Amino acid sequence: GQNIDQPTEMTATEGAIVQINCTYQTSGFNGLFWYQQHAGEAPTFLSYNVLDGLEEKGRFSSFLSRSKGYSYLLLKELQMKDSASYLCAVRDVRLTGGGNKLTFGTGTQLKVEL
Amino acid sequence: DSGVTQTPKHLITATGQRVTLRCSPRSGDLSVYWYQQSLDQGLQFLIQYYNGEERAKGNILERFSAQQFPDLHSELNLSSLELGDSALYFCASSDGTSGIDEQFFGPGTRLTVL
Repeated sequence: GQNIDQPTEMTATEGAIVQINCTYQTSGFNGLFWYQQHAGEAPTFLSYNVLDGLEEKGRFSSFLSRSKGYSYLLLKELQMKDSASYLCAVRDVRLTGGGNKLTFGTGTQLKVEL
Repeated sequence: DSGVTQTPKHLITATGQRVTLRCSPRSGDLSVYWYQQSLDQGLQFLIQYYNGEERAKGNILERFSAQQFPDLHSELNLSSLELGDSALYFCASSDGTSGIDEQFFGPGTRLTVL
């Protein structure tokens, strides 16, 4: 089976930097995804890591360590609109014939304050 | 707008009833996924179809079934509904062939079972 852990809630200040951690235990590994979800809306794709290291995309960066089963999402220059839930998801094995199953963590609710 | 469409947006029904949720994937995407999101359980993967065939299965109840049609749209059928089936149901799609194969989510159908 799979187990994905994220903090339930975090609070940060506008303009600051925040790091959201995700740890996972899986029988196999074929990529880790981060999604952003505003309340009542669809999740939107933020980043993807399959190899160890840092992937940077504008104000968002994501890091992966496969040996430690650990990832983090780094958000810089926080804006009020960044208040949302951030979901960590792991693809365990890339199945043959197009199979692509993601297991999501329960999400980290980020609140950005003035 | 992800390009994935879902209908209806809201659905209110009674216990014991049957409903059908509809999803149209992004143009060109061959894979369709169904997820259930309830307040206490987060985003749960139900099932994936790729080009008309079932490819991966999650914790989908026997009362639930899905299919993908030749035009690639998909339907999720929920029967003998229970109060606990009240949730947001998301459909997502991906091209099924690229390296990342990220999933793009539709706006969701909010199901309320009374």
